[in-house]
Amino acid sequence: GNSVTQMEGPVTLSEEAFLTINCTYTATGYPSLFWYVQYPGEGLQLLLKATKADDKGSNKGFEATYRKETTSFHLEKGSVQVSDSAVYFCALSLSGGSYIPTFGRGTSLIVHP
Amino acid sequence: GAVVSQHPSRVICKSGTSVKIECRSLDFQATTMFWYRQFPKQSLMLMATSNEGSKATYEQGVEKDKFLINHASLTLSTLTVTSAHPEDSSFYICSARVAGGPYPYNEQFFGPGTRLTVL
Repeated sequence: GNSVTQMEGPVTLSEEAFLTINCTYTATGYPSLFWYVQYPGEGLQLLLKATKADDKGSNKGFEATYRKETTSFHLEKGSVQVSDSAVYFCALSLSGGSYIPTFGRGTSLIVHP
Repeated sequence: GAVVSQHPSRVICKSGTSVKIECRSLDFQATTMFWYRQFPKQSLMLMATSNEGSKATYEQGVEKDKFLINHASLTLSTLTVTSAHPEDSSFYICSARVAGGPYPYNEQFFGPGTRLTVL
C-alpha cells in the first residue's frame, strides 16, 4: 500500500537555524508529493509540491526535492523564523488513488527567538 | 489562492444533540469534497469522500449513520454529527477538489477546520 513516514517531532530550533524534516514514502506507481503546513488552530495549507522525479518544490524559503532513488522528499529551510512554528505534513497522492492524499503523521516545529 | 470555508469554526454542544458543519468552495467548483478528522497531535484521518449528487463513500470504521454527509451543490458539502457524544469531540477538516474554475484540475484545497467539543 501507500504510506508516508516522517521524522518524529517536535523539532526545536533557534531562530535562523537550518531546518530539515525528513520524509520518505512507499507507493505503487508514481506519486505527486506535497508538504502541507498547519498553524495552531487552523486547517492545512499547501506549502509546496513536486509532481515528478528530480522536481524541486519551493515556497517561502522552504524547499524539497523529489528523490525517486531514495523515495524521499525532505523539507529544508536555510534560516527558520519564529513564525515558521507549526506542524508540517508530508503527503503523496496518486492518480490511481483518485488523488486522495495519504498523509504522514506530521512533524511539529518549534522555533525559539 | 483558492478559498475553502468551514462554518462554524468552533462549536460546543451537549451530548445527544446533532451538529452540522458546512464546507464551501468559494471560488471554484468541487464535485468531490473530503472530510477528515484530526485528533490532537496526530495526522488527518480520512472519514469520507463526498460526491456531488450522489452518496458519500465512507472509509472503513466510520459510521454512516453517525456522520451524515450531504453534497447538494458544486460548492457545498455538509457533515452532520448525529447524537454527538464526548468521544466525537475533535477537529474536523474538509477539503475540496477542483472540478472547474481558475485552479488546476484535481488540485485540493483545505478548509480551516471546525473544532467540535461535546460536553
